[in-house]
Amino acid sequence: NAGVTQTPKFQVLKTGQSMTLQCAQDMNHEYMSWYRQDPGMGLRLIHYSVGAGITDQGEVPNGYNVSRSTTEDFPLRLLSAAPSQTSVYFCASSYWTGGNTEAFFGQGTRLTVV
Amino acid sequence: KNEVEQSPQNLTAQEGEFITINCSYSVGISALHWLQQHPGGGIVSLFMLSSGKKKHGRLIATINIQEKHSSLHITASHPRDSAVYICAVIERGGADGLTFGKGTHLIIQP
Repeated sequence: NAGVTQTPKFQVLKTGQSMTLQCAQDMNHEYMSWYRQDPGMGLRLIHYSVGAGITDQGEVPNGYNVSRSTTEDFPLRLLSAAPSQTSVYFCASSYWTGGNTEAFFGQGTRLTVV
Repeated sequence: KNEVEQSPQNLTAQEGEFITINCSYSVGISALHWLQQHPGGGIVSLFMLSSGKKKHGRLIATINIQEKHSSLHITASHPRDSAVYICAVIERGGADGLTFGKGTHLIIQP
């Protein structure tokens, strides 16, 4: 199993550019989520999805969009990148949340917005 | 919102030492995760706990639900254990993901 595949690993954007961070899992997990990790802070939830066609906002959703058209894929879109979005992004999936299920993480995307 | 506190923030120890990392949280949870993040960034799940104790190799995780506290222990520590260890919780009935501590940066010197 590939687990959670996240691409790209590194990206540099100019302010105002748009891009999509890809996340795919092959474990048939219902729950997928996006987090950002900033120095001195714990990972923070951006958006999450409890199944295909269902998404919701997390703690820090502004500036990001998501969609979940299939169980496998959960892309994160930056519509107009800002320097404040410079961060490391992690995608995660689990069979379900609210219960006792292991979480699997992608390798992370290090994004720099200049 | 659950407040997750880890201690210590940074820990440097000698190879072979017994290591303890602590995690406390403020609101009742359904599960707690211990995660490991190596330089280079990937995050790996070590344990998921809802009660009691779990052991995997040299790693032991315990949780006290009444005290809202968990500990991660490393026995016979080794330089390859050097990493950031992160505690994360899911609140009871919570569908909106994990709440993370800030992590403990562990360095094991040979």
